[in-house]
Amino acid sequence: GAGVSQSPSNKVTEKGKDVELRCDPISGHTALYWYRQSLGQGLEFLIYFQGNSAPDKSGLPSDRFSAERTGGSVSTLTIQRTQQEDSAVYLCASSLSTDRSEQYFGPGTRLTVT
Amino acid sequence: DQQVKQNSPSLSVQEGRISILNCDYTNSMFDYFLWYKKYPAEGPTFLISISSIKDKNEDGRFTVFLNKSAKHLSLHIVPSQPGDSAVYFCAAISVNTGNQFYFGTGTSLTVIP
Repeated sequence: GAGVSQSPSNKVTEKGKDVELRCDPISGHTALYWYRQSLGQGLEFLIYFQGNSAPDKSGLPSDRFSAERTGGSVSTLTIQRTQQEDSAVYLCASSLSTDRSEQYFGPGTRLTVT
Repeated sequence: DQQVKQNSPSLSVQEGRISILNCDYTNSMFDYFLWYKKYPAEGPTFLISISSIKDKNEDGRFTVFLNKSAKHLSLHIVPSQPGDSAVYFCAAISVNTGNQFYFGTGTSLTVIP
């Protein structure tokens, strides 16, 4: 079956521009997570959704970052006024629920801010 | 604040031998631990997990050991195969952290044929 998909796979943008990253979770998965992996760093939690609501936004690094999820499915992560330190691989994962369900990861979006 | 740490960024092992990947954590409230495997240009894939009520969980060639008093877990791969070469992440979660998974920085395993 279809796994988690993310688009675009690569994005190069100029400093100061806005970018939007998209995640299509596995059908039926109610929980959706966004992570960031910077060079030499572990997976940094950004935000998770249970359905369309985001109970925990504590991981978003600044108010330039926002995310939404509509219809309990597709999610978009928006970064406004991108900075060079935003360059990273952004990973999306989904799971059946928000208990101990294992997460299924997408291939990630590599963002480069020049 | 890195609550889950993998202090060895890389590990090389001969094919057929045992690979031992280590992970330490600081939060004693973590009650569920997972290992993920990641190939280049792909997202991590779930490998094996362990609940804090256990000290060992085995699945084929993969065994995870948990030492709660030391706040330490390890992943054993026996025998190691070249296809096991990947980056391995450990992760932890607790009821108190909601549903936030804390990941380590990863250990890159190379299995030499």
